[in-house]
Amino acid sequence: GESVGLHLPTLSVQEGDNSIINCAYSNSASDYFIWYKQESGKGPQFIIDIRSNMDKRQGQRVTVLLNKTVKHLSLQIAATQPGDSAVYFCAEKDSNYQLIWGAGTKLIIKP
Amino acid sequence: GAGVSQSPRYKVAKRGQDVALRCDPISGHVSLFWYQQALGQGPEFLTYFQNEAQLDKSGLPSDRFFAERPEGSVSTLKIQRTQQEDSAVYLCATRTGTSGGSDTQYFGPGTRLTVL
Repeated sequence: GESVGLHLPTLSVQEGDNSIINCAYSNSASDYFIWYKQESGKGPQFIIDIRSNMDKRQGQRVTVLLNKTVKHLSLQIAATQPGDSAVYFCAEKDSNYQLIWGAGTKLIIKP
Repeated sequence: GAGVSQSPRYKVAKRGQDVALRCDPISGHVSLFWYQQALGQGPEFLTYFQNEAQLDKSGLPSDRFFAERPEGSVSTLKIQRTQQEDSAVYLCATRTGTSGGSDTQYFGPGTRLTVL
């Protein structure tokens, strides 16, 4: 079936540097994409979302880029901080309510 | 409360026991979802409610799993005759409205179920 996947399972970044987490999706009909952050022992926390009629959306220190041509989604985190350490999931909406999730990328911040 | 809450946070059950996991949604949120999350994986959809109506239960892995939301607010996920493969984190998420409204799902902290 349709799926969302991530390129890198673990990403190590120096504190203060920018982080880029990538995600590939396969359902060209998906119209909504979300990035969640999940810290150990907690539920996924909404970070930022983007609809398919946009190619870029910015939040506080985060930017999501959507490339529909190659079905690619990325999350950019500026000036990475220790508190950014977590597993990051991208998800796509494949119907009017269901989210399809990837396996996650673990972001490690090096001091 | 400000967010979705779940209880208990941790549950240890002996194989064959029945368990009940509770979700208290954000006040006024119409849509409620249950997910199962294995270690290192993304959440897997179990079931979806719109108010008290269970519109989709296609993700429930077996007939031992049962969910309800009788008054359109609090929801309970029940697992009968638990098996070791049921060990996972069970997440509840809620959303403001139906498909025409906000798509953002807000998650609770989850219940970690361990079946011995």
